[in-house]
Parts: sequence; structure tokens; C-alpha cells
Amino acid sequence: QVQLVQSGGEVKKPGASVQVSCAASGHTSDNYGITWVRQAPGQGLEWMGWINVKTGNTFSAQNFQGKFTMTADKSTSTASMELRSLTSDDTAMYYCARVALIGDLVVIPAVNWGQGTLVTVSS
Amino acid sequence: DIEMTQSPSSLSASVGDRVTITCRASQGISNYLVWYQQKPGKVPKVLIYAASTLQSGVPSRFSGSGSGTEFTLTLSNLQPEDAATYYCQQYNSAFLTFGGGTKVEIK
Repeated sequence: QVQLVQSGGEVKKPGASVQVSCAASGHTSDNYGITWVRQAPGQGLEWMGWINVKTGNTFSAQNFQGKFTMTADKSTSTASMELRSLTSDDTAMYYCARVALIGDLVVIPAVNWGQGTLVTVSS
Repeated sequence: DIEMTQSPSSLSASVGDRVTITCRASQGISNYLVWYQQKPGKVPKVLIYAASTLQSGVPSRFSGSGSGTEFTLTLSNLQPEDAATYYCQQYNSAFLTFGGGTKVEIK
């Protein structure tokens, strides 16, 4: 069974950057993606972007372009994301999830989820 | 990006009821739609993918239908443990947008 384990919660000041990591285990192939989703307190799910771990191709939501970077290291099965120029609006739970792929085709966008990382932005 | 609109935003129903949630896409997405269930304080869970394929382990009282721009998630014989927020997400495009969510409460 695939498991995703995320790094711990963070408290950041406005204007700072934050990195969240996501370590995958239990998978048998490197043909998958990692997607990032955030959820502000009491709000819905917001898709941020995803990275194809095998090819390194990335796709980001328009809202996050220029502010958000994803990376993935096949050798350690670890993906990371960095969010820059933080404001209080970025206070949220950040989730990584595995994108199930067949070739380049997305089969399920978020089939296994990490436990979430709470990022709090406060002065 | 493709916009996904869910309705209603919330509903209240009784145990044993049949409940339907709708998700509309701003453009055709074939059957590239997934439904998630999220209980308070928990991580979302896949219920249905490819619009109508039940994920392994999900009770058969959950069903999905639709193609193109209009999709439905049906909960038959509503149970107390179905109290949750339900989200749709499209994956026709590489930009994987969510619907706004539907909160289901049990009367």
C-alpha cells in the first residue's frame, strides 16, 4: 500500500518562503505524479499543481504561477514544494497526494494522500 | 482552467434517504471526473473515478454518473457515517480543478 509522509507543521512570517516535503513508500513503479492541494481553515480543497515524477514535467494552477515550485527526486521517492512571498491568505493545511498514471494519462488525480502539513503565516 | 461548479453547497437528509449531488464543468471533460469524501479533520478519500467507477472498498450505496459537462454523485440509503463534505475534481486537462464542495448533514 502506497504511503505518503509529509514534513511537520511550519510557522512563517509574511514575506517568507516555506518548503514542504512528501516521502512516498510502498509503490512499485516510478510512473506516478505528486499533486499538491491546500485547504484553508473551514474552506474547500484548492488544487495547486502536480509534478510527473518520472519526467519532471510540472503543471501549476494559474493562481500559483510564479509563487510555487514543485520538485521530485526519483532516487529518494521524495517530492517537495516551495511557496514564496507568504501572506496570511496562505495559512492552510497543505496536502500531497499520489497521481495514478498509465503512461502520461492521469487515471486518478489523488489516489493516496499524505497526512497534511499545517502552514501558519503570522507576524 | 476548467471551472467545476457543485450544487447544492450543503444539504440535510435523513438516514435511509437518497441524496444527489451535481457537478458541472465549464467545458466538456468526457468522463474524467473523480469524487472524494472528506470527513471533518480527515484526509479526503476517493469514492469514484472515471465518473462512474467505484473505488475498491467503497460501499455500493455510492454511485456516479455523467459525461461531458454534467455529473452526479448519488448516495442511496444514506447512513450516519456518510456525514461529510463531497468534492468533485476534473482531470480532462492537466490542470486538475476541484468543485467547491457539498456538505452533507444527517438530520
